[in-house]
Amino acid sequence: AQSVTQLGSHVSVSEGALVLLRCNYSSSVPPYLFWYVQYPNQGLQLLLKYTTGATLVKGINGFEAEFKKSETSFHLTKPSAHMSDAAEYFCAVSGPGRRALTFGSGTRLQVQP
Amino acid sequence: SQTIHQWPATLVQPVGSPLSLECTVEGTSNPNLYWYRQAAGRGLQLLFYSVGIGQISSEVPQNLSASRPQDRQFILSSKKLLLSDSGFYLCAWATTTGISGNTIYFGEGSWLTVV
Repeated sequence: AQSVTQLGSHVSVSEGALVLLRCNYSSSVPPYLFWYVQYPNQGLQLLLKYTTGATLVKGINGFEAEFKKSETSFHLTKPSAHMSDAAEYFCAVSGPGRRALTFGSGTRLQVQP
Repeated sequence: SQTIHQWPATLVQPVGSPLSLECTVEGTSNPNLYWYRQAAGRGLQLLFYSVGIGQISSEVPQNLSASRPQDRQFILSSKKLLLSDSGFYLCAWATTTGISGNTIYFGEGSWLTVV
């Protein structure tokens, strides 16, 4: 079985501040990990993913995430928040033999001017 | 390039009425297809997925059903809607090669309000 926990349903940062969105997973198989972003009333767009190889993954819009097996974490970061980053972010997990993603409950990011 | 189309974008339906949401994918063949539901504050819940024509796997027992009459068409249906069926429904697809590590691509979603 697989599951994802996203700590903090709402996160608020100031423009220019560090963004840190937390994701912890549980998986009985080697995990494949994803971060998606959802803007209001839209579908989800892939930010980045980890399957194998380098544990620090860079994505679009300046975001990156690091897979830490010992901590079962895949936190999303961005050094400097921009107003356009305000959205809902979802962490998801899959794995070998899995045909679908299991999503966390999401974190809504607010960026204050 | 691949595209995914989902419609209608919004609908308001009375309790007990039927439902049909349609999704088509272009630019790929034999995709995996998915229906997810997003309820307020509850993340995304996988409802159905399909690995081929006529092959449907249900993840959550409920009064919804799905069908895949053609390779790139996926339909979500209900005979009688409940208030609890309200939500944002997302169709998605993924290539079948290397299934687990492949990205799932989402449509723009359909807002369903049951009144």
